[in-house]
Formats: sequence, structure tokens, C-alpha cells
Amino acid sequence: DVKVTQSSRYLVKRTGEKVFLECVQDMDHENMFWYRQDPGLGLRLIYFSYDVKMKEKGDIPEGYSVSREKKERFSLILESASTNQTSMYLCASSSGTAPREQYFGPGTRLTVT
Amino acid sequence: LAKTTQPISMDSYEGQEVNITCSHNNIATNDYITWYQQFPSQGPRFIIQGYKTKVTNEVASLFIPADRKSSTLSLPRVSLSDTAVYYCLVGGYNFNKFYFGSGTKLNVKP
Repeated sequence: DVKVTQSSRYLVKRTGEKVFLECVQDMDHENMFWYRQDPGLGLRLIYFSYDVKMKEKGDIPEGYSVSREKKERFSLILESASTNQTSMYLCASSSGTAPREQYFGPGTRLTVT
Repeated sequence: LAKTTQPISMDSYEGQEVNITCSHNNIATNDYITWYQQFPSQGPRFIIQGYKTKVTNEVASLFIPADRKSSTLSLPRVSLSDTAVYYCLVGGYNFNKFYFGSGTKLNVKP
């Protein structure tokens, strides 16, 4: 079974802090994704990566950056956390041969105070 | 952007067949239709994917008419454990167009 793990289930940070969310997948998938999920807005794509060191902006990249130095790991960085970044963050991965079949991690609920 | 329209919520009873229809009028030629299921406090889970006509797996069936402007996810004989949010997505290989939307909240009653 594909396993996607995220570094924390719950995280509380202060406004202005730099925040790192880590995601690791164990299926050698080429594609990795970061989403945020908010009530009434569904899931929105922040960034995705289709290869090591490659990244593409999604629908809402402002205030976020990403890093993919190794194939199995995709990090989401909030350079200066703000209260409007309080949300559920979901990481996903998919293979190059089945790109739309994404496997999701359990999510990180981030609260910025 | 091939956005989708789904009902916000649906109710059903255990043992019934449930059909959730999704509208995607702007679907592009190379877009596939994909459905996900999400339980509370979990990430979405892939259910089924199709391009045209009918696709069936051990969990669900997906019906796609010839014009591909809509699709219907069919869940046979639902149980309480099928209570979840169901998302319809359309997209090809360009993940910027892979739009989740708000989904349909299915409530299965005993």
C-alpha cells in the first residue's frame, strides 16, 4: 500500500514564524502535491512537483514556497505565517503513469495565532 | 478551467443505490473524470476514474455519456460507512486544472 506521511497532525504557530510542513511518500512517485482545505472552499492546490527540484504553482501559491530535494520528500514552507493560513494542509503523491490517482496523507491542522 | 458542479448534499438509506451526478460542461478532449471519497479527519481517497462510457470497479461504477459534459458516480447498496464527502474532478496531465471543489456530502441513514 502507498503510504504518505506528514510530519505533524496538529501544529500551532505564532504570526510571523517560519513554518515547515514535511511530507514523505514511500512509493517512488514522481508527482507530489500540497493542498489546503477550508470549510466551504474544498481542496485548493498550493504547489505541485513532477520531479526532484521541479515545482509548479497551483491556484493559491501566495505566501507559500516548496522544496523537493529528494524524490520521496516534498516540503511546504510558510515564510512568515499569518492567521489566514490557519487551515488543514494535505499532501498527496501520484505516479507518472497514473497521475490523477493521488494518494493523500492524513493532513496537518495548522493554527496560526 | 474545467470546473465541476455537484449537489452540496444527499441523503440515502442503508442498502440503497446512490447516484451522484457531476456537471462539467467545459471538459476538454484530453480530460479524465476522477472521483474521490473523503471521511472526516482523513485525506481524500481515490475511488474511480474514466474517460467515456462506463467504468466499474469493486467499489463503484462511473457512467459517462457520449458528450462527456456530465458523469454519474454510482454506489451500490450503501452502508453507514459510505457516509463521506465525494469529489468529482476533471483534468488531464495539467494539475493546475485538477480542481477539487466542495464535493457532495452523502449522509447514509440506518
